[in-house]
Amino acid sequence: GEDVEQSLFLSVREGDSSVINCTYTDSSSTYLYWYKQEPGAGLQLLTYIFSNMDMKQDQRLTVLLNKKDKHLSLRIADTQTGDSAIYFCAEKMVYGYNKLIFGAGTRLAVHP
Amino acid sequence: NAGVTQTPKFQVLKTGQSMTLQCAQDMNHNSMYWYRQDPGMGLRLIYYSASEGTTDKGEVPNGYNVSRLNKREFSLRLESAAPSQTSVYFCASSEAGLAGEQFFGPGTRLTVL
Repeated sequence: GEDVEQSLFLSVREGDSSVINCTYTDSSSTYLYWYKQEPGAGLQLLTYIFSNMDMKQDQRLTVLLNKKDKHLSLRIADTQTGDSAIYFCAEKMVYGYNKLIFGAGTRLAVHP
Repeated sequence: NAGVTQTPKFQVLKTGQSMTLQCAQDMNHNSMYWYRQDPGMGLRLIYYSASEGTTDKGEVPNGYNVSRLNKREFSLRLESAAPSQTSVYFCASSEAGLAGEQFFGPGTRLTVL
């Protein structure tokens, strides 16, 4: 079946790196996404990785994909208070329409 | 560009009342979606529209109907609201390309008493 799992909460000190983890079950997924949701707002696409890649870097963000273990991670370098939000992992299925399966989200709290 | 807009932002209904949530996008996207977000759960797809003139059920369609009015607009209707439909509703749109990135509206917070 289709399932995406994330830990629910992460707390880090400002300036440290944050690593948010995600596991998924469907090996046929094509793209994997990270979305950010700030309080009271909609989801904002942060970055995505194609399933045949191992790593993607975009400024402070690094996405690592381990297809064998179906594990995806998002590393935020030099975490700032503005990074406090909920981060959603999502996978896109290869079949049918542009269907995304979302995890429950990880709430990142950044403290001084 | 405004992106994806939704109205209203907040709504309180009594059980049995009906209402329509409106969504519009100005990115000329073919595909549009309605999701609901409940505490501790990821977004769940209610309905989607792959292109103008077509709509299909997602994971949790019961109690909802949709209309793809034109390419820009996709509305979600609750015919007889129930407390279980208390949630935050998000509309999204996407281009049909390989990555198919979805762009989200700000959401409608609905409470059914």
